[in-house]
Amino acid sequence: NAGVTQTPKFQVLKTGQSMTLQCAQDMNHNSMYWYRQDPGMGLRLIYYSASEGTTDKGEVPNGYNVSRLNKREFSLRLESAAPSQTSVYFCASNEGSAGANVLTFGAGSRLTVL
Amino acid sequence: KNEVEQSPQNLTAQEGEFITINCSYSVGISALHWLQQHPGGGIVSLFMLSSGKKKHGRLIATINIQEKHSSLHITASHPRDSAVYICAVAGNQFYFGTGTSLTVIP
Repeated sequence: NAGVTQTPKFQVLKTGQSMTLQCAQDMNHNSMYWYRQDPGMGLRLIYYSASEGTTDKGEVPNGYNVSRLNKREFSLRLESAAPSQTSVYFCASNEGSAGANVLTFGAGSRLTVL
Repeated sequence: KNEVEQSPQNLTAQEGEFITINCSYSVGISALHWLQQHPGGGIVSLFMLSSGKKKHGRLIATINIQEKHSSLHITASHPRDSAVYICAVAGNQFYFGTGTSLTVIP
């Protein structure tokens, strides 16, 4: 099925552990995004990539790193997880610039940091 | 600061009722998006619009650029419409509202 695939769907970590969230899209989109969703707050941008080989910080980048491995894949890494990073993470992609095109989201990854 | 405000935050309706969700924004935009998120589920795009009105089945979205306001209407609501509806505006980046949680009771 065409779309955005992100893994894992669920993960529990202990404080200080590291992990990588994987995201892949098969729609040949240029732009990819990582968001976090917390209760009572709108989706907040962590990092985005406007094209292969480029990445930029969003609103809440601290504690995260990203890699745009190729046009299809955009991974998010937590080097030393903290309880404040407990959240639901969404990867998304679209074609071209931010506003002009529909965003396609992955199914989400629920992360709990103990 | 909240670039996007939605109202109401929560909404309960009886099946068959006409529903309106409102979105106001404060930034310049190139397009406005309405998204739907079912409990525990992913997020899907319902509409993208930059002017006027769009209709998909029982859903209608309108936008007034001058007033910086959009509405999402659901006609003849059904329990399967129960979800969180999120307004997002796209300027130099996306800004998201906190969502409206809709419950439709049979």
